[in-house]
Amino acid sequence: EAGVTQFPSHSVIEKGQTVTLRCDPISGHDNLYWYRRVMGKEIKFLLHFVKESKQDESGMPNNRFLAERTGGTYSTLKVQPAELEDSGVYFCASRGQDRSEQYFGPGTRLTVT
Amino acid sequence: QKEVEQDPGPLSVPEGAIVSLNCTYSNSAFQYFMWYRQYSRKGPELLMYTYSSGNKEDGRFTAQVDKSSKYISLFIRDSQPSDSATYLCAVYSGYSTLTFGKGTMLLVSP
Repeated sequence: EAGVTQFPSHSVIEKGQTVTLRCDPISGHDNLYWYRRVMGKEIKFLLHFVKESKQDESGMPNNRFLAERTGGTYSTLKVQPAELEDSGVYFCASRGQDRSEQYFGPGTRLTVT
Repeated sequence: QKEVEQDPGPLSVPEGAIVSLNCTYSNSAFQYFMWYRQYSRKGPELLMYTYSSGNKEDGRFTAQVDKSSKYISLFIRDSQPSDSATYLCAVYSGYSTLTFGKGTMLLVSP
């Protein structure tokens, strides 16, 4: 069974540009999460999808961040326009229905210069 | 007060040592307690999880939860150089989001 995959693995962009991160969850997992780790801090929750619906987006830092999960399969996280403080590692995780465990992808390292 | 406190280390031990990694948490509503292992430039890998108080053992790893003191531990027996990684504790109250500690970096020297 394939794990959670994320693309790209690393992205370097200039302040003001747009970046789109993609996450493919484990097949059949209805729950998809986005997390972020900025340097020196703990991993923090951004938002949670159940299928294509946003269950909880309380962790989204501001309206420059837009997450979508069309069709309830893969998800994208767009940052527009990017700011320096958006630099960090963005993780995606998925969880099966009626399960407790969340499985993480390898992350996308975003560097905004 | 942070919801989950974890000493960032690094913790350096010789091969074969018993390792004790710990976290404290503040919210008594947390019911699920997870340990993730993260190698450099990789994603967190779920090691073990427990529900409520008690112990859980898996090979060389033992997870322990004491809800009365809000203290969670991970013990690694016969530590190996391949155990060198960052260990993250995470808690949550149900089918919701995880709250992480900062992680403890473990270095096991041959």
